[in-house]
Amino acid sequence: EAGVTQFPSHSVIEKGQTVTLRCDPISGHDNLYWYRRVMGKEIKFLLHFVKESKQDESGMPNNRFLAERTGGTYSTLKVQPAELEDSGVYFCASSPGTVNYGYTFGSGTRLTVV
Amino acid sequence: GESVGLHLPTLSVQEGDNSIINCAYSNSASDYFIWYKQESGKGPQFIIDIRSNMDKRQGQRVTVLLNKTVKHLSLQIAATQPGDSAVYFCAENKGSYIPTFGRGTSLIVHP
Repeated sequence: EAGVTQFPSHSVIEKGQTVTLRCDPISGHDNLYWYRRVMGKEIKFLLHFVKESKQDESGMPNNRFLAERTGGTYSTLKVQPAELEDSGVYFCASSPGTVNYGYTFGSGTRLTVV
Repeated sequence: GESVGLHLPTLSVQEGDNSIINCAYSNSASDYFIWYKQESGKGPQFIIDIRSNMDKRQGQRVTVLLNKTVKHLSLQIAATQPGDSAVYFCAENKGSYIPTFGRGTSLIVHP
């Protein structure tokens, strides 16, 4: 079974540019989550999809971040325009159900904004 | 706000020694705790979990201890190996699907 796949693995962009991160969850997993880890700090929740619907987006830092999951399959997270403080590792995770069940993380996208 | 944190950012041990990674949490209502291991270039990987109605749980070479009185969680790794080198995160849940993570402890195993 393929795991959670994230693309790209690394991205270096200039401040003010746009970047789109992609996450392909495990096939059949309705639940998809985005997390972010800024260097040396905790892994912070950004948002949660159930199929194509946003279940919880309380962790999204501001309106420069836009997440979509059209069709309930893969998800994208767009940052526009990027700021220096957006640098970090963005993780995606998926699970077949909720409440502590089968959470699998992708390898992450390391975003560096210069 | 309530949060989950770690006592030490880095832990260095010799191969073969036992490792103990500590975690403090502040939400007394948390009912489920998880340890994750993140190796370089990979995402966090589930190691072991424990529910609040338990105080100890053992896995293969790993043991998680939960002390609800002082809101403390620890991960013990027996006979630490070079492959155990990674960042370890504790996480807590309070009846929800969204775990709250700590900052992580980097475990360095010296041969």
